[in-house]
Amino acid sequence: ETGVTQTPRHLVMGMTNKKSLKCEQHLGHNAMYWYKQSAKKPLELMFVYNFKEQTENNSVPSRFSPECPNSSHLFLHLHTLQPEDSALYLCASSLREGRDNEKLFFGSGTQLSVL
Amino acid sequence: GENVEQHPSTLSVQEGDSAVIKCTYSDSASNYFPWYKQELGKRPQLIIDIRSNVGEKKDQRIAVTLNKTAKHFSLHITETQPEDSAVYFCAAHNTDKLIFGTGTRLQVFP
Repeated sequence: ETGVTQTPRHLVMGMTNKKSLKCEQHLGHNAMYWYKQSAKKPLELMFVYNFKEQTENNSVPSRFSPECPNSSHLFLHLHTLQPEDSALYLCASSLREGRDNEKLFFGSGTQLSVL
Repeated sequence: GENVEQHPSTLSVQEGDSAVIKCTYSDSASNYFPWYKQELGKRPQLIIDIRSNVGEKKDQRIAVTLNKTAKHFSLHITETQPEDSAVYFCAAHNTDKLIFGTGTRLQVFP
């Protein structure tokens, strides 16, 4: 294990449901990220939290709502999603200081299916 | 903003052959270029990276080259093995974020 854990691993939800994805890192990092991975598309950066402050919101629809209560935990709250939101959602973390501050450590992802 | 293009999208090689994956980027300010490997059903993992002040870096069977003038970088895998089969992503670091390519699915046949 790399020290970044995501739950749940799989999630099936209807368009009217509300669910949350959870990410936890045990690496002492201070930045956390949500990425969306869809088939045949690049990894899409959704949100960045640096020292618990959101520094990036990459034009993500409001039906995705992130929360970062501390530098070790990151949530993605989901509500009224669309079928096209079905994808693998990856959490990552990094240490934003020093030379190797761009190195990302990924979790295993949550495979989301919206029916 | 930065744009990263990656080719080919799929690559099939015989075990023992070499594999080369190429990426181009658009923003000359990008200064860090990692490569991630994602095996089926697993998380992406960093396998090698290169910074803009270096032209080539090697780690056992994998190497990365960077041409800053042409704004392209490549991953080279020699003596490929079946366990090299995975999707490989290149990325460029620009203004505090990594922009990824679309990925290359490498299949190594025994």
